[in-house]
Amino acid sequence: DTGVSQNPRHKITKRGQNVTFRCDPISEHNRLYWYRQTLGQGPEFLTYFQNEAQLEKSRLLSDRFSAERPKGSFSTLEIQRTEQGDSAMYLCASSSSRWPLYNEQFFGPGTRLTVL
Amino acid sequence: TQLLEQSPQFLSIQEGENLTVYCNSSSVFSSLQWYRQEPGEGPVLLVTVVTGGEVKKLKRLTFQFGDARKDSSLHITAAQPGDTGLYLCAGAAGANNLFFGTGTRLTVIP
Repeated sequence: DTGVSQNPRHKITKRGQNVTFRCDPISEHNRLYWYRQTLGQGPEFLTYFQNEAQLEKSRLLSDRFSAERPKGSFSTLEIQRTEQGDSAMYLCASSSSRWPLYNEQFFGPGTRLTVL
Repeated sequence: TQLLEQSPQFLSIQEGENLTVYCNSSSVFSSLQWYRQEPGEGPVLLVTVVTGGEVKKLKRLTFQFGDARKDSSLHITAAQPGDTGLYLCAGAAGANNLFFGTGTRLTVIP
C-alpha cells in the first residue's frame, strides 16, 4: 500500500495527558499537511511542511501543539496537556510541491482522538 | 479566511435519481478539489478543477468549475447506494493549504 498512513487510528486519553500521532506520507511527496476535523465540519488546516521545513501554522495550532518532520519523511503531531476540546479526527495529507499537483492532497485514514 | 458554503447539507434520494451539489464562495480559487469521505476514514480525492468554466467527468459524476473560479458543482447521474458519503469541496487560494466546505451528506436509498 503506497498511500498515506497514520498511527494510531484511535487514541483515548485523559485530560492533561500528552499524545503523539505519526503520519507517513506517500514516498515521492515532499509536502505534508496536518488538518483537524470535528463532527459535522470539514477539515481545518493546522500546519504544513515542505521537506523538513515547517512553512505555515494556523492560528488553530496553539502552543500546546507541536509538529515535526525531522528528516523530511514521516511527521509527528504532539498535543501536550490535552483538553476535551482537542477531541477530533486528526488528518494527515501529502502532495507534490509542483503546480498544479500541490493542491491535490491525498489524505490518510486519520487518528480519532477522544479526551475524557 | 476563505469561506466555502455547500448546499444542500443533507440529501437523501432513491437509487437511480439524479442530484446536484453546490459549492459557493465569494473568494477566487486557483483550483478546487472535490473529495468523498466515508465515516471514520479520511477524504478521498475525486477530482481537481483548475480552469474557469472547466467541466470534468468521472463515470456518472460531472464536476464544473465556475467561470469566475468562485464556485463549483457536482452532478451525479443515476445515483447508486455506493455513492453514499460526505462530499467535500476544497478550494486552494495559493500554494499552501486547502479551505474545506462543511460538506454535503448524501444517502442513496436502494
